[in-house]
Amino acid sequence: QQKVQQSPESLIVPEGGMASLNCTSSDRNVDYFWWYRQHSGKSPKMLMSIFSNGEKEEGRFTVHLNKASLHTSLHIRDSQPSDSALYLCAPHSGGSNAKLTFGKGTKLSVKS
Amino acid sequence: NSKVIQTPRYLVKGQGQKAKMRCIPEKGHPVVFWYQQNKNNEFKFLINFQNQEVLQQIDMTEKRFSAECPSNSPCSLEIQSSEAGDSALYLCASSLLVNTLYFGAGTRLSVL
Repeated sequence: QQKVQQSPESLIVPEGGMASLNCTSSDRNVDYFWWYRQHSGKSPKMLMSIFSNGEKEEGRFTVHLNKASLHTSLHIRDSQPSDSALYLCAPHSGGSNAKLTFGKGTKLSVKS
Repeated sequence: NSKVIQTPRYLVKGQGQKAKMRCIPEKGHPVVFWYQQNKNNEFKFLINFQNQEVLQQIDMTEKRFSAECPSNSPCSLEIQSSEAGDSALYLCASSLLVNTLYFGAGTRLSVL
């Protein structure tokens, strides 16, 4: 059973600050990672995915991946109160329609 | 707004009662997933389908839980004899390919 470790469990950053979230998988067959975001009382929505080693940037969001260490991180610059949400990491392995195993998430609060 | 439709939004049952929830996947999406999200925000994969066929399911699902995705009808998840520990948010998600999951709003089950 794959384990997905996310840290920190919760994070408070000031508006305009940088938020850094981490995720590590125990499954050496992981081929890519997904990040989902779930606002309070809402369903999760896909935020970003990363397939290759290195970095991927989309607007204020940057994802890093190190496949050797099975570690990914999500960085949010210029954090906004609307970024306050539960951020879920989901490593993928086992075929295109295999289940995703979600981590417990990092609860981000952006304080104005 | 999500194109995955889940009904009902809220479901209240007594212990031992049946609980049934439905999901209409996004049009054209052949893969459907059911997840349970508990009060600690932890996700548990229950079952997934490709068209009408079960791809993967967990042991728990094989006992009190049953699910189906009949052709031209909503998918459904049913708990035969509800237990207090089943109280959770049940999320249905559909996927076209490569595991971008599109979640419905969920059915929040309370077992009294």
